[in-house]
Amino acid sequence: DTGVSQDPRHKITKRGQNVTFRCDPISEHNRLYWYRQTLGQGPEFLTYFQNEAQLEKSRLLSDRFSAERPKGSFSTLEIQRTEQGDSAMYLCASSGGLASGELFFGEGSRLTVL
Amino acid sequence: AQSVTQLGSHVSVSEGALVLLRCNYSSSVPPYLFWYVQYPNQGLQLLLKYTTGATLVKGINGFEAEFKKSETSFHLTKPSAHMSDAAEYFCAVSDANAGNMLTFGGGTRLMVKP
Repeated sequence: DTGVSQDPRHKITKRGQNVTFRCDPISEHNRLYWYRQTLGQGPEFLTYFQNEAQLEKSRLLSDRFSAERPKGSFSTLEIQRTEQGDSAMYLCASSGGLASGELFFGEGSRLTVL
Repeated sequence: AQSVTQLGSHVSVSEGALVLLRCNYSSSVPPYLFWYVQYPNQGLQLLLKYTTGATLVKGINGFEAEFKKSETSFHLTKPSAHMSDAAEYFCAVSDANAGNMLTFGGGTRLMVKP
């Protein structure tokens, strides 16, 4: 499968713990995006990378959140000192930078904070 | 800033009936518009997109959407609903000035009755 892959698919953690999600984009795509989706809502933009450069960050991305894409390939999203409000689906998407702007999504990482 | 409004968080139709899911957008630049579908516990799959050219866009699974600039709308239709169409549908607008970041509407859950 050459689509966007995310790991883990599900994560249950206790409040205050740190969690990290990984995203492997489609190999030739230079843009990578993170979104958060809560139940019954549309995805909300968190941040995006062009190659290894993080070019845009949402105000939703508090100081407890950090994202990296060190070699311009896979990306990680870390949440420190998790809170119950962090419970959500974290979606990763990639694109080849086409003018049409189509994004290809992974299946998401669902976080449950107890 | 761009925004997307989807009227009706839940739509119920009978199998074989017309499907109409509404989407209105606001954008300061000519928009690129998208419809994505999400099945339970899965990522988002592109149904169709409008970039330029023909305003009636055909997508997968028999869906189509028409871009109406004067109404700032991009409604999704399908002539005859199938049970397998039951899912969450998201309309989105692309911001070419922000790395083609997508802004999503709140989603519409389509239910298909036998």
